[in-house]
Parts: sequence; structure tokens; C-alpha cells
Amino acid sequence: QKEVEQDPGPLSVPEGAIVSLNCTYSNSAFQYFMWYRQYSRKGPELLMYTYSSGNKEDGRFTAQVDKSSKYISLFIRDSQPSDSATYLCAMMNNQGGKLIFGQGTELSVKP
Amino acid sequence: GAVVSQHPSRVICKSGTSVKIECRSLDFQATTMFWYRQFPKQSLMLMATSNEGSKATYEQGVEKDKFLINHASLTLSTLTVTSAHPEDSSFYICSARTTTHTDTQYFGPGTRLTVL
Repeated sequence: QKEVEQDPGPLSVPEGAIVSLNCTYSNSAFQYFMWYRQYSRKGPELLMYTYSSGNKEDGRFTAQVDKSSKYISLFIRDSQPSDSATYLCAMMNNQGGKLIFGQGTELSVKP
Repeated sequence: GAVVSQHPSRVICKSGTSVKIECRSLDFQATTMFWYRQFPKQSLMLMATSNEGSKATYEQGVEKDKFLINHASLTLSTLTVTSAHPEDSSFYICSARTTTHTDTQYFGPGTRLTVL
């Protein structure tokens, strides 16, 4: 079993839809949770960062962490074609350092 | 802020030659940098952790004599692929760790290596 599970998709939605992306994990030591967006042939770009449990909102993006269920989510409101990319969840423990990535979910937002 | 650059962005070389890739944190100091490799449609695979002033720590299965890493300063790490072969062709991405306000990594734009 992988430490972090993420549905690779692909996920296709119409423009304006609400997108929900999720990851589950098995290591209860994880304390730092991140979402990265990666466009084709580019490096990952940090979207959201959360420490421990809770919600965080930034514009059209909301990140949620439920440590009791070992489940994290990223919501994208009013999705745009420019949101079409691969979204990677990543997490690490309190020791810092290594990020453990999910497989990435490929999202396509159709005009 | 939190910008990481990589150079070159793309390189094509002949089999048997060595290639050096530079990773720089432009607006922050990074005591730790990481090197990843990514295959098409796959997630990032950590190759090694690079700490300023000390030897890199390689992940299991990564040949340290083939992938030489040097972290000479708080803003620069280099990856040298020695005696490159076609199977080394891949997308190489570096990241730099910051602990100033968060504890996370910012990634460079990646280097696409093609070995003929």
C-alpha cells in the first residue's frame, strides 16, 4: 500500500464547475500538507499549504485536512480552462525534509 | 518570492557525455535542496537530498557515482549526470526547502534531458 493515494483521473469538467480533488494517506505522522499544480513540461507550483488539520482558503481554492480520517481535499470554485493541469498532493512529517507525493490527478476544464 | 531557477531548461547530448544541471534559489537561502526525476504521466521520484556543505543523501536504487550532486552554497546545487545513456533521458526537477514562514519546497521549472 502506498503512503499517499490519489486518483490519477483524468478528470474532465465544464468551465465554471466546482472541482474536488482528494488524497488519502496512511502515515499519521504527517503534519504538513500541500497541493501543487503542474502544467505539462513545467515544474510543480505550490498552490496551498496547510499545517495540521483545518481549512484554508485562497481565492477560488480551498484546502481541507481531516487528520482523523487521514484525508485531504482541494476544492476549485468557478473552474477555468487555465486550471487544466495535473494536481499533486504532497505531505511530510514533523521531521521536515522529504515530501511524499500522490500520483497526481490530471484535470481538464472544458470551455 | 520563493523563486527557484534551473539551467538549462532543455539539453540534448550524445551517449557517454556528462551533463550538468544547475538549481538556484533566487530570493531565499536553502540549506536543503532536492533532486527529482519525473517520467511521463507519473509523479515525482525523489533521487537525492542535497545539504549545503555536506554530501548528498541518495535514495535507494539511485547510483551516486552516476548522479553527482554538489551543494556549494545556500543558493546553488548542481546535478551532474555522468556518462549519460539513453535510459537517463528524463525530466529532472529540483526543489529548494524554506522554513522561514512555512516548511515546504519550491520547485524549479525542470530540465528535459535527451541522450542520443
